Amino acid sequence: DVKVTQSSRYLVKRTGEKVFLECVQDMDHENMFWYRQDPGLGLRLIYFSYDVKMKEKGDIPEGYSVSREKKERFSLILESASTNQTSMYLCASSLSAENTGELFFGEGSRLTVL
Amino acid sequence: GQNIDQPTEMTATEGAIVQINCTYQTSGFNGLFWYQQHAGEAPTFLSYNVLDGLEEKGRFSSFLSRSKGYSYLLLKELQMKDSASYLCAVLDSNYQLIWGAGTKLIIKP
Repeated sequence: DVKVTQSSRYLVKRTGEKVFLECVQDMDHENMFWYRQDPGLGLRLIYFSYDVKMKEKGDIPEGYSVSREKKERFSLILESASTNQTSMYLCASSLSAENTGELFFGEGSRLTVL
Repeated sequence: GQNIDQPTEMTATEGAIVQINCTYQTSGFNGLFWYQQHAGEAPTFLSYNVLDGLEEKGRFSSFLSRSKGYSYLLLKELQMKDSASYLCAVLDSNYQLIWGAGTKLIIKP
C-alpha cells in the first residue's frame, strides 16, 4: 500500500515563526500536492509538483513556498506564519500525470498559529 | 467560476440506503471522484466516473450524468463505520481537482 507520511500531526506556532511541514511518500509517485482544509470549504490547492525540483502554484500560494529536492519528499514552508494560516494541511501524491485524480493522502498536519 | 455543490450534512439509519448528490460547474471535465474522510483522518479514494452511468463497487455505487453536471454516491446497507464526510471532486480541463466542501454523513442505530 502507498504510504504518505507527514512529519507532524499537531503543531502550535507563534505569529512570525517559520514553519516546515514535511511529507514523504514511499511508492515512487511522480506527483505531489499540498492542500489546506478548512471547515465549510473544499480542499484548496497550495502548491503541487510533477517532478523533482519542479513546483507549480495552486489556487492559494500566497504566504507559502515549497521544496522538492528528492522525488519522495515534498516540503511546505510558511516563511512567516500568520493566524489566518491556522488550518489542517494535507499532503497527497499520485502516480503520474494520467492519474492526477486518484490521490493518496497523508494523515494531515493540524497547525495552530497564535 | 468553478463550483461543486453537495449537501453539508445528511442523516441516515443503519441498514438503510442513502444517496449523496453532487452538482458541478467546471471549466472542462476529465472525471469525477468521490473520497471518504473519517473524522481526524486522511481522505481515501472511493470511486471514479468519466463516462455517463453507474459504477458499482460493493455496497457503494457512483453515478454520473455529464450533460446535467450531476453525480451521486449511493451507499447501501449502511453500517456505523460509514459515518464520515464524503468529498466530491472534478478533474477540470487543466487536470486540476476542484473539490466540494464535503457531505457529513451521520448514521444512527
